[in-house]
Amino acid sequence: DGGITQSPKYLFRKEGQNVTLSCEQNLNHDAMYWYRQDPGQGLRLIYYSQIVNDFQKGDIAEGYSVSREKKESFPLTVTSAQKNPTAFYLCASSLQATQYTEAFFGQGTRLTVV
Amino acid sequence: KQEVTQIPAALSVPEGENLVLNCSFTDSAIYNLQWFRQDPGKGLTSLLLIQSSQREQTSGRLNASLDKSSGRSTLYIAASQPGDSATYLCAVTRSGGGADGLTFGKGTHLIIQP
Repeated sequence: DGGITQSPKYLFRKEGQNVTLSCEQNLNHDAMYWYRQDPGQGLRLIYYSQIVNDFQKGDIAEGYSVSREKKESFPLTVTSAQKNPTAFYLCASSLQATQYTEAFFGQGTRLTVV
Repeated sequence: KQEVTQIPAALSVPEGENLVLNCSFTDSAIYNLQWFRQDPGKGLTSLLLIQSSQREQTSGRLNASLDKSSGRSTLYIAASQPGDSATYLCAVTRSGGGADGLTFGKGTHLIIQP
């Protein structure tokens, strides 16, 4: 089936550790996105990529890093510089990079700091 | 800065009723508006995408309208069912055209009573 796969579903991080969240899509979409969701808040954009080897900061990029070495993969690293990383992280993709088209989402990764 | 507001924040109605969820946005220069559904602990499911040149879109029992000039959208759900219980999110494009992500509202938590 075509879709977006996020792994792991649950992730626990110790203070000071970096962790990487995986996002893979087989929809042949050009654009990919990472959002963060906190209780009672709307989703907020962390990073996005419109083409391989290129990405831009979203509204809350501090403490996060990404790479886009392959069209189908857009991993997110939560670094130790992110002071409040506990949240639900959602990856999305859309078909075109030059104009907005319908966005599709993965099932999310819940990150908890222990 | 674009802001998206959804009213009401929560809604509980008996099964079978027709209902309307509201979404407003502060900057009318949007490209698209998209409605999503989110079940607890899950990712987002796309319901309807309305392009800025359109006034409404329909899918089954769902109908979404868009009035760009007034900065408003509504999601109409006909003959509600318990399976419609979820959080409904409205999102608009972050800029006038490019695929640089969405700005989300905080959602309406909907409960349909059997």
